[in-house]
Amino acid sequence: GQQLNQSPQSMFIQEGEDVSMNCTSSSIFNTWLWYKQDPGEGPVLLIALYKAGELTSNGRLTAQFGITRKDSFLNISASIPSDVGIYFCAGQRGSNYKLTFGKGTLLTVNP
Amino acid sequence: NAGVMQNPRHLVRRRGQEARLRCSPMKGHSHVYWYRQLPEEGLKFMVYLQKENIIDESGMPKERFSAEFPKEGPSILRIQQVVRGDSAAYFCASNRGASAYEQYFGPGTRLTVT
Repeated sequence: GQQLNQSPQSMFIQEGEDVSMNCTSSSIFNTWLWYKQDPGEGPVLLIALYKAGELTSNGRLTAQFGITRKDSFLNISASIPSDVGIYFCAGQRGSNYKLTFGKGTLLTVNP
Repeated sequence: NAGVMQNPRHLVRRRGQEARLRCSPMKGHSHVYWYRQLPEEGLKFMVYLQKENIIDESGMPKERFSAEFPKEGPSILRIQQVVRGDSAAYFCASNRGASAYEQYFGPGTRLTVT
């Protein structure tokens, strides 16, 4: 099946630092979604991207839909302790409603 | 709270028993998706349902697993004769329709098979 390669697998940063993570695929996706999952909870939608090249922000979060439609990245600026969690990218192809997920990036923020 | 509801949050079953997981979609949503998450893995699609219809069950194991979304009441994911390998977190997501790409997830049911 299709796979999304998400990197890095984990990050340990100091409070206040900026963070960048990305997802790549060998297949084209028409929609990219970024989710955050806290321990014991379900994924929460952070940002949705619909067009190649699109750059979208949500507070301190910024995500971009790669121009080739095979990648996306998520930036978090000025990290705070509550940013801790697992960040997942997910892609959709065309009218196919199934979400294909990356394996996640575990973010730890040291106060 | 108009979010996606799932219950139970935690379920323990012995091998061979049946597990029933329930999902109530967000208000105004009539499309439900079930995903499974193994430890340290991303979510994997299992099945997509609309009211009284299974649209795509290509991610569901062929045996022991079934899903329904009746006209009234929650969507049910049913696992018969559970085995240890069924232990996972099962998430339900909903949206207004297949063309509404954003899917909103519930808190999940953590199934443990002993």
